[in-house]
Amino acid sequence: QVQLAQSETEVKKPGASVKVSCTASGYNFRVYDMHWVRQAPGQGFEWMGRINPSSGDTKFAQKFRGRFSMTADTSRRTINMELSSLRSDDTAVYYCATHPYDYGDYFDYWGQGTLVSVSA
Amino acid sequence: SYVLTQPPSVSVAPGQTATITCGGENIGRKTVHWYRQKPGQAPVLLIYFDSDRASGIPARISASNSGNTATLTITRAEAGDEADYYCQVWDSSSDHLYVFGAGTQVTVL
Repeated sequence: QVQLAQSETEVKKPGASVKVSCTASGYNFRVYDMHWVRQAPGQGFEWMGRINPSSGDTKFAQKFRGRFSMTADTSRRTINMELSSLRSDDTAVYYCATHPYDYGDYFDYWGQGTLVSVSA
Repeated sequence: SYVLTQPPSVSVAPGQTATITCGGENIGRKTVHWYRQKPGQAPVLLIYFDSDRASGIPARISASNSGNTATLTITRAEAGDEADYYCQVWDSSSDHLYVFGAGTQVTVL
């Protein structure tokens, strides 16, 4: 079955960077885009960007361009994201999510979420 | 940027029907997906392509989409339905290509 396993909670100070990983299993990892979606405390979901593991092609929401990056390690079936210049309003649970099929613009599978807390 | 509007909360008595709306300009021309999220958990896909139930979702959960409103319906509500429910669309004109509603908290009284 499809599973997405994320790295553990991170606590960072403002201005720092954070890396979160997402390791996939149970489907053809190389083919299907992996997305990152975050949820601030008590808030809804915000799509951040996506990466195609095979090509490395990325697309970002404008507000994150320049401080958000994603890389794929196909040998480890892992997507790594990094968010830099952290601010307090980056405090959120960060999810990786995917739709591992050929057609559809929704997310069948989500990681368990990684809490990133930014505080001085 | 495309905006999806959901009521903040909906209350329903056990055994009754809860209706959750998701408003958007000509949303009937888009495909709408619905998720359920319980406290401390990741979201779960309920409905895709307006009205198709995801694997394992019971038939008492249904959805439709027309005009400016998509609707998620939960019949014979039970305590386990208490959760936050989110609609989502893909919109090429939005910066955040995948747009979510703000969510509706369903309480089963």
